[in-house]
Amino acid sequence: DAKTTQPPSMDCAEGRAANLPCNHSTISGNEYVYWYRQIHSQGPQYIIHGLKNNETNEMASLIITEDRKSSTLILPHATLRDTAVYYCSLSGNTPLVFGKGTRLSVIA
Amino acid sequence: DAGVIQSPRHEVTEMGQEVTLRCKPISGHDYLFWYRQTMMRGLELLIYFNNNVPIDDSGMPEDRFSAKMPNASFSTLKIQPSEPRDSAVYFCASSFDFRRANVLTFGAGSRLTVL
Repeated sequence: DAKTTQPPSMDCAEGRAANLPCNHSTISGNEYVYWYRQIHSQGPQYIIHGLKNNETNEMASLIITEDRKSSTLILPHATLRDTAVYYCSLSGNTPLVFGKGTRLSVIA
Repeated sequence: DAGVIQSPRHEVTEMGQEVTLRCKPISGHDYLFWYRQTMMRGLELLIYFNNNVPIDDSGMPEDRFSAKMPNASFSTLKIQPSEPRDSAVYFCASSFDFRRANVLTFGAGSRLTVL
């Protein structure tokens, strides 16, 4: 049970921001929100994670709502190479469980 | 570091044959994970090790599957005998300490086809 809900697919125009939502209404107090992506036929790749504050790194930004029941991964300027399946997952001190993710298609 | 290295990248075998998949984790990583990915079931955790010791193998589908980690730099996943439903991509991943930060580095995967 992945404990997260994501839309199955999304499109984004190249150069625009891609905003990928994730619902996790049953998140526990010690659980972090993790985002990974999987480009076709490759292994999943770590993107970012956070507990309750917004986080930013060179790949993306993570916005977590104040009640922590949902979050949004933001790719500020999507490129064709960002086309992938994006997974949102929760983890305290247990291994990651992956749901079906969101298939993001970046369109030229 | 070359990352997590898996071999073979592709394996085609016939039902009933033994299959051995190999993984070399990143040096210094204390945790090693085996995941399986299929279209129907997505990414599933099979087993994970800490300091070469299996911690949780509840995801291993049945007794035909076994995994070992004889040392810190090598792990195997064995299927004997193999069946067509075992066809999948098998990923190995390693982590420094997933309990602190669940940042896993995945290998490129081993695509298994059982005829």
